[in-house]
Amino acid sequence: DADVTQTPRNRITKTGKRIMLECSQTKGHDRMYWYRQDPGLGLRLIYYSFDVKDINKGEISDGYSVSRQAQAKFSLSLESAIPNQTALYFCATSESTLPHYTGELFFGEGSRLTVL
Amino acid sequence: KQEVTQIPAALSVPEGENLVLNCSFTDSAIYNLQWFRQDPGKGLTSLLLIQSSQREQTSGRLNASLDKSSGRSTLYIAASQPGDSATYLCAVRSPSNDYKLSFGAGTTVTVRA
Repeated sequence: DADVTQTPRNRITKTGKRIMLECSQTKGHDRMYWYRQDPGLGLRLIYYSFDVKDINKGEISDGYSVSRQAQAKFSLSLESAIPNQTALYFCATSESTLPHYTGELFFGEGSRLTVL
Repeated sequence: KQEVTQIPAALSVPEGENLVLNCSFTDSAIYNLQWFRQDPGKGLTSLLLIQSSQREQTSGRLNASLDKSSGRSTLYIAASQPGDSATYLCAVRSPSNDYKLSFGAGTTVTVRA
């Protein structure tokens, strides 16, 4: 079983619909992240969370919201999807406990979202 | 703002040739640099992580070097195999925002049998 699991893996939806992407992890990491990947642009950070009570915006948070339901669960919502949110979305985790902190990120397999 | 560039965007080599992948970044004040591999339709797999105090890291056929002063990292893959075909991304973490990784767009490698 994957350490970082994303659901759904693929989703096609229509403009204006609400969409939720879910992420769960078994690595026991405190920090969780949502990224989107677009061709030729690399990965861009949408939101990140350092613990259940700590949620922060990344560089492209407009049009998105998140919820950290538990240490192991971090979901991303698109309240009203639009076509330019068509992308590959990744959840990632990292540990924060010193002195072993390295900042190394571990990724899920991605959720491909298409907004028509 | 940290900018990360990977050139070339795509690379094709015959099997057995050594691969050299380049990553450059604009701000030399980095915390660490991480190399990832991404297979089509898959997530990112961490290959190597180099801390800012290190000059290189090795894992099997992979070797990554870091030259902060020139803002460069190079990933070497020895004796390439068709299974090495993938997209390779580098990402730089800056100390001012230790959560934030700045990603390059990646180099897509094809190793021809």
